[in-house]
Amino acid sequence: SQQGEEDPQALSIQEGENATMNCSYKTSINNLQWYRQNSGRGLVHLILIRSNEREKHSGRLRVTLDTSKKSSSLLITASRAADTASYFCAPNTGGFKTIFGAGTRLFVKA
Amino acid sequence: DTEVTQTPKHLVMGMTNKKSLKCEQHMGHRAMYWYKQKAKKPPELMFVYSYEKLSINESVPSRFSPECPNSSLLNLHLHALQPEDSALYLCASSPEREGLFPPETQYFGPGTRLLVL
Repeated sequence: SQQGEEDPQALSIQEGENATMNCSYKTSINNLQWYRQNSGRGLVHLILIRSNEREKHSGRLRVTLDTSKKSSSLLITASRAADTASYFCAPNTGGFKTIFGAGTRLFVKA
Repeated sequence: DTEVTQTPKHLVMGMTNKKSLKCEQHMGHRAMYWYKQKAKKPPELMFVYSYEKLSINESVPSRFSPECPNSSLLNLHLHALQPEDSALYLCASSPEREGLFPPETQYFGPGTRLLVL
């Protein structure tokens, strides 16, 4: 099974600053996804990047993928208090099984 | 309709009770999932149904019994649970294309917070 490992485990920043979270994994993947979870709620899909892509943007989100280093990063620009949440990466090697990383807990101070 | 609904939102049950969690989606997705999430931990996969057939059972104890009566519904029947089973139970669905592509985006419901006394 494939599990992402995220870094840092927790991150506290001021509103307006950028937040960067990193994810490393161990084997070849088909795609890697990032999800957000507000406290005690369901997960929300943020962005999917395929193994043949290097960078992807969605609004204030930028995801990069380096398959040679088996790593991905999620950048949130101009953060807002509403971005306070846990962020999980989910590398997918094919099939149904998604193993979520431990997550990064982001706290954005207003 | 682009959401996954789960009922109930909260559930308190004793160790001898029998209860069921319900999940519903009307997006035409043919893959549906149950996850268990403990506090400050990532979701852990329990079961996956594909085209109403059980595809993955992650060695879940038999006191959890999944059921997929049709392509829109997923149930999780609970019986003789233990206090350590207290957690947030999340349902998800994804637009699986059989045999062609790996399932991609999963759409999650808000979860059922379960407390076993």
